[in-house]
Amino acid sequence: NAGVTQTPKFRVLKTGQSMTLLCAQDMNHEYMYWYRQDPGMGLRLIHYSVGEGTTAKGEVPDGYNVSRLKKQNFLLGLESAAPSQTSVYFCASSDDPHSGSSSAGELFFGEGSRLTVL
Amino acid sequence: TQLLEQSPQFLSIQEGENLTVYCNSSSVFSSLQWYRQEPGEGPVLLVTVVTGGEVKKLKRLTFQFGDARKDSSLHITAAQPGDTGLYLCAGAEGRYNFNKFYFGSGTKLNVKP
Repeated sequence: NAGVTQTPKFRVLKTGQSMTLLCAQDMNHEYMYWYRQDPGMGLRLIHYSVGEGTTAKGEVPDGYNVSRLKKQNFLLGLESAAPSQTSVYFCASSDDPHSGSSSAGELFFGEGSRLTVL
Repeated sequence: TQLLEQSPQFLSIQEGENLTVYCNSSSVFSSLQWYRQEPGEGPVLLVTVVTGGEVKKLKRLTFQFGDARKDSSLHITAAQPGDTGLYLCAGAEGRYNFNKFYFGSGTKLNVKP
């Protein structure tokens, strides 16, 4: 019963390096999200997707890109990492709120990916 | 600027005490959710409230959605060490759009035995 799986769990980068975080969900959810969590700031939405092939900007999209080529995967890319992107990143997925399922609208989170940019 | 403000930020209490956590905004939300997060894990949903004035109970936890759907509270009766964690409120934007959830900054609760 995997749910939402994020890889890698930990990563250390140097300023200017690039990397991709992978999120995979096995619940056939339409919607997927990337959040970052910083002390005292709660969770802030970076990008989200309402279905395969779609992406949209959230609250703090600058410096990040995303892709949703397959329904079950949502990738978060950092093209040129900066120390300000040091954070814990969470991927989440949710069902279509109009699906009628008991969990419609509920966000299911992965365990997080801790990224440090030196 | 946080769309949702939570208070208090930190709370340290003795087992058996009662507590209330508040989540306030100037924006109207179509629904509001409360999550609990433990160290090293992602948040887990506790409850969703949809109707203004709605009250939901989950064992010792009572959740209330404000009449104007701008604020919410979480009350815990007779707190236990197992209640320790970070409590987050999240508001959904839009009347029919559940796509975007805005999170509060969280309340870190520590219940001492």
